[in-house]
Amino acid sequence: GQSLEQPSEVTAVEGAIVQINCTYQTSGFYGLSWYQQHDGGAPTFLSYNALDGLEETGRFSSFLSRSDSYGYLLLQELQMKDSASYFCAVDTGRRALTFGSGTRLQVQP
Amino acid sequence: DGGITQSPKYLFRKEGQNVTLSCEQNLNHDAMYWYRQDPGQGLRLIYYSQIVNDFQKGDIAEGYSVSREKKESFPLTVTSAQKNPTAFYLCASRSGATNEKLFFGSGTQLSVL
Repeated sequence: GQSLEQPSEVTAVEGAIVQINCTYQTSGFYGLSWYQQHDGGAPTFLSYNALDGLEETGRFSSFLSRSDSYGYLLLQELQMKDSASYFCAVDTGRRALTFGSGTRLQVQP
Repeated sequence: DGGITQSPKYLFRKEGQNVTLSCEQNLNHDAMYWYRQDPGQGLRLIYYSQIVNDFQKGDIAEGYSVSREKKESFPLTVTSAQKNPTAFYLCASRSGATNEKLFFGSGTQLSVL
């Protein structure tokens, strides 16, 4: 089967940097995605890593190490609006994503 | 504007009743998906479809059924066999060209009366 592990909650202050880790065990692997979901809302796509290394998109960066089955999402210059749940998701090649249980990020003033 | 529309936003089901959740997309996407989300949990895959008239079971398909008669539409029926249907249901789609990005609808909250 497949499993993804990520912390359930993270707290940080405005302006700070926070890293959300994700480790995975899957029978196949094509890439790791990250999604953001505000309470009651729909998940929205943040990033995708198919190869090892860092991908940067504005204040958000995502990293992947295929050999370690590990990735992380890095959020810089935190803002109050970044308070949300963040999900990692793995593409195992069956053409549908498998999601982790999510990390709830609380940004404090 | 292109997007995915789910309806209704809130739905209530009585004991022994089947209910159908609607999902329509005008993004011209080939693949469509249904996920279930319980409070404080991740998304679990119910069914998915890569092409019209074809669909596959996901991880928690029992008690659910789908159809894909049109590219734009992928309705989900929650049958009376689903004993714990209360959850937030999310429909998503993606272009056939890449598997990286899912576009989600705004969801349907289903509750049992």
